[in-house]
Amino acid sequence: KAGVTQTPRYLIKTRGQQVTLSCSPISGHRSVSWYQQTPGQGLQFLFEYFSETQRNKGNFPGRFSGRQFSNSRSEMNVSTLELGDSALYLCASSLVRVADSTDTQYFGPGTRLTVL
Amino acid sequence: AQSVTQPDIHITVSEGASLELRCNYSYGATPYLFWYVQSPGQGLQLLLKYFSGDTLVQGIKGFEAEFKRSQSSFNLRKPSVHWSDAAEYFCAVGAKYSGGSNYKLTFGKGTLLTVNP
Repeated sequence: KAGVTQTPRYLIKTRGQQVTLSCSPISGHRSVSWYQQTPGQGLQFLFEYFSETQRNKGNFPGRFSGRQFSNSRSEMNVSTLELGDSALYLCASSLVRVADSTDTQYFGPGTRLTVL
Repeated sequence: AQSVTQPDIHITVSEGASLELRCNYSYGATPYLFWYVQSPGQGLQLLLKYFSGDTLVQGIKGFEAEFKRSQSSFNLRKPSVHWSDAAEYFCAVGAKYSGGSNYKLTFGKGTLLTVNP
């Protein structure tokens, strides 16, 4: 079974631009969570999507948004990029909502975003 | 709110030596506990998890961890380290809130493991 895939793997953008990252979960998994990883703040939870609805959200500004499609694929969008948004963005999938079963989350390789 | 502390930012061991990575958590109830490993340029791979039951948990790649409630710890161990174990290791705590309708996974800052030949 294929793992979680994320595209693109690397991105370079400039301040003020917007960016869209994509995540394809493991086949059959319906929950997708997004995390931001930076050297200073470590791994921080962004949001979780399940059945095309955002179910949980971390403490990030509204510039960070996401959506999930009927096939469980998810996209994350960051508008008006800032230098501090440079990070590794990780996507994780699980069978059901993590709150419903604490099912194991499987992580993708991440998208490395650099904002210049 | 839960928190996770990994006291060691960087650990260096010789190949074949034993390893223990420390993890302390703060949470009001029994949390769900995880250890993940991240190799350079890669995502996180789950090594093991503890939800309940036996406090000594076996994971992949020869790793094990022991949950000690009295010490709020979940230390990761391996009896003999291989050069391929060099990576960054993250301890994580999961906890339900809002009456169980939501769940949050909180990570420690990580411990970088270097293995000397």
